Amino acid sequence: GQSLEQPSEVTAVEGAIVQINCTYQTSGFYGLSWYQQHDGGAPTFLSYNALDGLEETGRFSSFLSRSDSYGYLLLQELQMKDSASYFCALLRGGGATNKLIFGTGTLLAVQP
Amino acid sequence: DSGVTQTPKHLITATGQRVTLRCSPRSGDLSVYWYQQSLDQGLQFLIQYYNGEERAKGNILERFSAQQFPDLHSELNLSSLELGDSALYFCASSVSSQPNTGELFFGEGSRLTVL
Repeated sequence: GQSLEQPSEVTAVEGAIVQINCTYQTSGFYGLSWYQQHDGGAPTFLSYNALDGLEETGRFSSFLSRSDSYGYLLLQELQMKDSASYFCALLRGGGATNKLIFGTGTLLAVQP
Repeated sequence: DSGVTQTPKHLITATGQRVTLRCSPRSGDLSVYWYQQSLDQGLQFLIQYYNGEERAKGNILERFSAQQFPDLHSELNLSSLELGDSALYFCASSVSSQPNTGELFFGEGSRLTVL
């Protein structure tokens, strides 16, 4: 089976650093992605970890540890516009295609 | 703007009815994915098409069906609608049938309300 768990809500202040965790139970996958979604709008791609370790993209970094079945998204220098829902997603193969399986999502509230 | 277009943006209908949601993928993308997002929930994978052929099925109900046309646009048909079908329905696209970077391009979604 497969399931991804995330905290339902996280609150942080502007300028701070916040970490959003994602734990999973699966028998195999290619990598872990992160998506941002503002107010029910289109989810947008943030990052992808194919290998263990840290990937950095500007203020956002993502980490994966396959041995710990765990990943996280790190947001630095938080801005009000970062208030959104964040989803981790496993890229899984099977048959003729790969597909993304999404986690439950974390609502980040950035306060002034 | 991801380049993926979905219509309609909003749809209100009654239980028992049938609706069709439409998606045009990004120019050049051959794969279309459909996801359902219920209130405060994650995105549930429904079905994927690649170049007109069904490639993968997720938790799609038998009352739901989809197809991808020769011009690569896709339609998701929802029939015998129930209150619980009220949700955001997202379409996403990618170039290949096997995205290997974890990146899909999502449309703005169709918000379906069943009364």
